[in-house]
Amino acid sequence: SQQGEEDPQALSIQEGENATMNCSYKTSINNLQWYRQNSGRGLVHLILIRSNEREKHSGRLRVTLDTSKKSSSLLITASRAADTASYFCATDKDGNYQLIWGAGTKLIIKP
Amino acid sequence: GAVVSQHPSWVICKSGTSVKIECRSLDFQATTMFWYRQFPKQSLMLMATSNEGSKATYEQGVEKDKFLINHASLTLSTLTVTSAHPEDSSFYICSAPGQGDYGYTFGSGTRLTVV
Repeated sequence: SQQGEEDPQALSIQEGENATMNCSYKTSINNLQWYRQNSGRGLVHLILIRSNEREKHSGRLRVTLDTSKKSSSLLITASRAADTASYFCATDKDGNYQLIWGAGTKLIIKP
Repeated sequence: GAVVSQHPSWVICKSGTSVKIECRSLDFQATTMFWYRQFPKQSLMLMATSNEGSKATYEQGVEKDKFLINHASLTLSTLTVTSAHPEDSSFYICSAPGQGDYGYTFGSGTRLTVV
């Protein structure tokens, strides 16, 4: 089942620009995770942020979490053509391994 | 890092036949494996959760007799689509929970086309 929504549904930007995607969810969570999926492939884990964390970085990725607004954002800085993919957020409500998925954002980086 | 190997990557089968999809954890033991189905341009839909040595837990609306899941060992979980029909055509993905902050490890997916 899908708990949250992501926006935008699709995002097209020029290479080198920053891309921001947002994720909202409905219930309390243990952690929130972001994944990338290239077309026709499995998903790759990007970042996990716990409910007591507000911001996390990994290379060109920056994730924020606002539990009061039940929302998270994923920022990709200095985008590259290889960043073209769909990005999904997923929440783990109880830490029991069952993820609830957002609808995803399709990101296109134009060279 | 943890790797889940999923086979086959794609398969075409005739209506009425059965297809088995395998997911193997290559460098870790997966006591739990999640099986998802994904429709084009949509998010993942959890079908079932398999646990090594016990019966799988199916999500509401998923036919357990049609989608047979077996988790016979700590490194292998299988999904068998029985008596496949064209409406079963989809992208099927398996996933195992990670450790700590490493999230989940996904197989590369199987594109099933039933003709």
